Amino acid sequence: GAGVSQSPSNKVTEKGKDVELRCDPISGHTALYWYRQSLGQGLEFLIYFQGNSAPDKSGLPSDRFSAERTGGSVSTLTIQRTQQEDSAVYLCASKRGTGNYEQYFGPGTRLTVT
Amino acid sequence: GDSVTQMEGPVTLSEEAFLTINCTYTATGYPSLFWYVQYPGEGLQLLLKATKADDKGSNKGFEATYRKETTSFHLEKGSVQVSDSAVYFCALSDPINTGNQFYFGTGTSLTVIP
Repeated sequence: GAGVSQSPSNKVTEKGKDVELRCDPISGHTALYWYRQSLGQGLEFLIYFQGNSAPDKSGLPSDRFSAERTGGSVSTLTIQRTQQEDSAVYLCASKRGTGNYEQYFGPGTRLTVT
Repeated sequence: GDSVTQMEGPVTLSEEAFLTINCTYTATGYPSLFWYVQYPGEGLQLLLKATKADDKGSNKGFEATYRKETTSFHLEKGSVQVSDSAVYFCALSDPINTGNQFYFGTGTSLTVIP
């Protein structure tokens, strides 16, 4: 079946602009995660959605970052007033549910803020 | 809280050499353990997993054994190939005690030279 997809694959934006990154999880997966991966670094957790529950936003680095998940499926990560330090690869992952399941990752969106 | 510590890289090996990447964990409960691999320019892919003590995960010639007594999940491969060049991440999930958060190590970069 189809895996996790993300769009765009690359995004170049000017400092101060807003950007939206999209994630389509695997069909039927109720859990969805966003991570940030800076060059040569590990994964930084940003936000987690599970079904209709309130999201875990504990990893969002500032109030410029927000995310929503419509209809329990597609998710959009929005970064307002982008800064150069926001340049990174943004990874989305989905998981079947709340049990001991693995995450499936999308290919990521490479964001470059100039 | 829960955490994962993995061997720092980068690691450079000749083709057909033996590979070990160390991973140790801290968890309050009985987590599931994972190894993910990230090839250049791609998202993370699940390589193998183990859900309980003494389980051995294996895939593509890679193996890791869940050792509760040493809180370790070291990744091994008997004979690496150039195509194994990638970044490897150890990860932990402990849904009962820490909800649906995944804890990732910082990643170990492996380069295999012909």
